[in-house]
Order: sequence, then structure tokens, then C-alpha cells
Amino acid sequence: GENVEQHPSTLSVQEGDSAVIKCTYSDSASNYFPWYKQELGKRPQLIIDIRSNVGEKKDQRIAVTLNKTAKHFSLHITETQPEDSAVYFCAASITGGFKTIFGAGTRLFVKA
Amino acid sequence: DTGVSQNPRHKITKRGQNVTFRCDPISEHNRLYWYRQTLGQGPEFLTYFQNEAQLEKSRLLSDRFSAERPKGSFSTLEIQRTEQGDSAMYLCASSLEGPQPQHFGDGTRLSIL
Repeated sequence: GENVEQHPSTLSVQEGDSAVIKCTYSDSASNYFPWYKQELGKRPQLIIDIRSNVGEKKDQRIAVTLNKTAKHFSLHITETQPEDSAVYFCAASITGGFKTIFGAGTRLFVKA
Repeated sequence: DTGVSQNPRHKITKRGQNVTFRCDPISEHNRLYWYRQTLGQGPEFLTYFQNEAQLEKSRLLSDRFSAERPKGSFSTLEIQRTEQGDSAMYLCASSLEGPQPQHFGDGTRLSIL
């Protein structure tokens, strides 16, 4: 069945450094890849998404890259700040866009 | 902010009881999703509605679980004869049609005594 693997499960960086989170997906029909940030006790919130017809998308300090051949995509956060500390989830949406499979999450700690 | 609203926020019940949760999506969204999230895991897909039609159910959704969206607006998720393993956060999300971002509610945390 469909599966999304996410690494690492925990990531600790110094403020100002970059953070990279990687995901792989199994269903080659997946065509939409959102990333969510979830702070403790709060709802997941979309931070960036990418569709299969592009290889990279950037929004200020956040960027996502997609390699459809290898079936993996990555989140890059530059100039990290303490408020970036949260759990980040990648996800892949199969054709039709209604069933979304989430990764297990990466807990990011940004040390001041 | 007329985001996705879920009620109640917390539900504590004894094993064997039935519980019902409600989700009010963003008004113009015709798609509605239910997920279950346990500690340290990502949201697990349970079921999905397009308007009032329930189009897909996960194999995770046993016969004790039922969801409705009678008029294509709010949705309810009912769990009958609750078990310890049902303890989790139940999240609702909504979106426009197509591969579009899903907007999540704050969830209902279910605790089974």
C-alpha cells in the first residue's frame, strides 16, 4: 500500500543553521506533496506544498525540492530561529488528491 | 477567522461507551477528511467526503466507526463500544476540490478510561 517515510525523526540545530528533512514515497501516482508544521497541542498547519510538475519551490526561508524519478522530496529551512521548533510532517497525495498519506514526523529543535 | 471547528476539544469516557464528534469545515470547502493521530505519529487517514458522499474509508476504520456528512456541510464521527486503543486525537480537515491544501481543526482528544 501507500507509504511515506520521513527522516530524521529528531533534528537539533543551532539558531541560524539550516535544517533539512527528507521524505520518500511509494506510490508513483502521487502528484501533490504538502508539508505541515505542528506545534505542541496545536493543529497541523501547511507551510509549503509542491506539485509534481515542478522540481523546486521556495517561500522566504523555506524551500522544498522534489525528485519524481527517485520518489523523494525534501524540506529545507535556512537561517533557523527558535520559533521554528516544532514537529514537521511531510505528506503525499495520490492521484485525485483526496487521500493523503503522512510521514511519521520530524521533531526539530532550534537552540538559541 | 472561520477555520475548521471541532467539538468537543476533549472527551473522556469509559470503555464500552459510544462517543460522537463534530466537525464544521470551512464553508466553501466541499471536501472533508477525518484523521486519527497518536503521540509521536503523523495523522492517519480514516475517511473522506466530497460534499455528502463518503468516497473512501481506510482499512483502519472498523465497523465500530461511522461517519456522516448529511447535508454536505458539517460532519460527525461516531465510535461505538469504545476500546482502550481508540484513545487518540481525532482531526478533521477540509479543502477545495483537487490537490489542494487541507486545513485542519484543533482536533478532539479522546481518552478511554
